[in-house]
Amino acid sequence: SQKIEQNSEALNIQEGKTATLTCNYTNYSPAYLQWYRQDPGRGPVFLLLIRENEKEKRKERLKVTFDTTLKQSLFHITASQPADSATYLCALPMNTGFQKLVFGTGTRLLVSP
Amino acid sequence: DVKVTQSSRYLVKRTGEKVFLECVQDMDHENMFWYRQDPGLGLRLIYFSYDVKMKEKGDIPEGYSVSREKKERFSLILESASTNQTSMYLCASSMPGTGSYEQYFGPGTRLTVT
Repeated sequence: SQKIEQNSEALNIQEGKTATLTCNYTNYSPAYLQWYRQDPGRGPVFLLLIRENEKEKRKERLKVTFDTTLKQSLFHITASQPADSATYLCALPMNTGFQKLVFGTGTRLLVSP
Repeated sequence: DVKVTQSSRYLVKRTGEKVFLECVQDMDHENMFWYRQDPGLGLRLIYFSYDVKMKEKGDIPEGYSVSREKKERFSLILESASTNQTSMYLCASSMPGTGSYEQYFGPGTRLTVT
């Protein structure tokens, strides 16, 4: 079955540093991968989508890479700020339907001033 | 902006009660989803609807049913609530054919079954 792995331990970094989060997957060759942000007690919010033929995607301070050989995506936040503290989820389309997603359990990021 | 609303933020029900969770989206999206989110397990798909009256089971449909009579509204029904259905329930919507596959989530309903 499809499996997505994200580091369950929180990532603690200092303000201004680059945060790097990892998403690994098995048993699938996804056409795309998405990243979401989730704040406590709220629903996830879409951040970025990267397609299988794209190596890298950027949006403001965010950068996502997608290595289909390693079956891994890296999510970077440069010049991190305390407001970036949240849980970040990666998501892949299900084998059974392009519109449906399988989510990782997320990695909590804590940015300290 | 897309807005997805859920009928309650917090709900407490007793074992055996029938529970209705309502979700409404205002952007004419064809797809709607119900997930539950539990610590360590992440988001799991309960049901998916791709059109009015059309539905597909997700990964964990047991104990749940859904209803979609109007395009903007997707209801999740717990026929006989049990304590293991205590969870955060999240509704989402998306529009097929746009190429983004982005899902828009509601704020969630934290359901406690006692």
